[in-house]
Amino acid sequence: GNSVTQMEGPVTLSEEAFLTINCTYTATGYPSLFWYVQYPGEGLQLLLKATKADDKGSNKGFEATYRKETTSFHLEKGSVQVSDSAVYFCALTGGTSYGKLTFGQGTILTVHP
Amino acid sequence: DAGVIQSPRHEVTEMGQEVTLRCKPISGHDYLFWYRQTMMRGLELLIYFNNNVPIDDSGMPEDRFSAKMPNASFSTLKIQPSEPRDSAVYFCASRGDSRGNQPQHFGDGTRLSIL
Repeated sequence: GNSVTQMEGPVTLSEEAFLTINCTYTATGYPSLFWYVQYPGEGLQLLLKATKADDKGSNKGFEATYRKETTSFHLEKGSVQVSDSAVYFCALTGGTSYGKLTFGQGTILTVHP
Repeated sequence: DAGVIQSPRHEVTEMGQEVTLRCKPISGHDYLFWYRQTMMRGLELLIYFNNNVPIDDSGMPEDRFSAKMPNASFSTLKIQPSEPRDSAVYFCASRGDSRGNQPQHFGDGTRLSIL
């Protein structure tokens, strides 16, 4: 079946630092890949997505590239802000099931001024 | 556009009581999902519907949990009887794309506390 593995958290950074959150996946076929973000007290929001190999999703300064050869979809941002503090989830749909998302365990990011 | 609407936002009740959580999906979306989120287990998919029909309920923890979708604009998740271990944040999400390329849209959740 499908599975998503995210780097262990929590991650603590200073403002303007570079961010990488690793995500690898297992799925058959050609899944679609997503990053969701959850701010405190809120539901999950789509941050970015990629639907085929070598696609780069980007939004709000965040980027992730769909790498089929390494089955990865790492999230990056060049300069984080305090307002980026949140929980980040990598997810996929497709493979054995187009109906539902398979989520990683989430990575807590805290950015200090 | 109105997003996914959940009610209530917070619910505190005593164990043994019946709890009903409600969800209104985005108009035109034909997939609806119920999730539970806890610190210990993270985000779990409980059940999802397509065109009001339950497709996969393998995540429903036990018979005390039930979900219905009587029409395209309304779904309920019911717990009867409730137990303290049911305390969690419950999210509803909807999606309009059958191939899965479009994202799920989440509500703000119901924070449930069972005393």
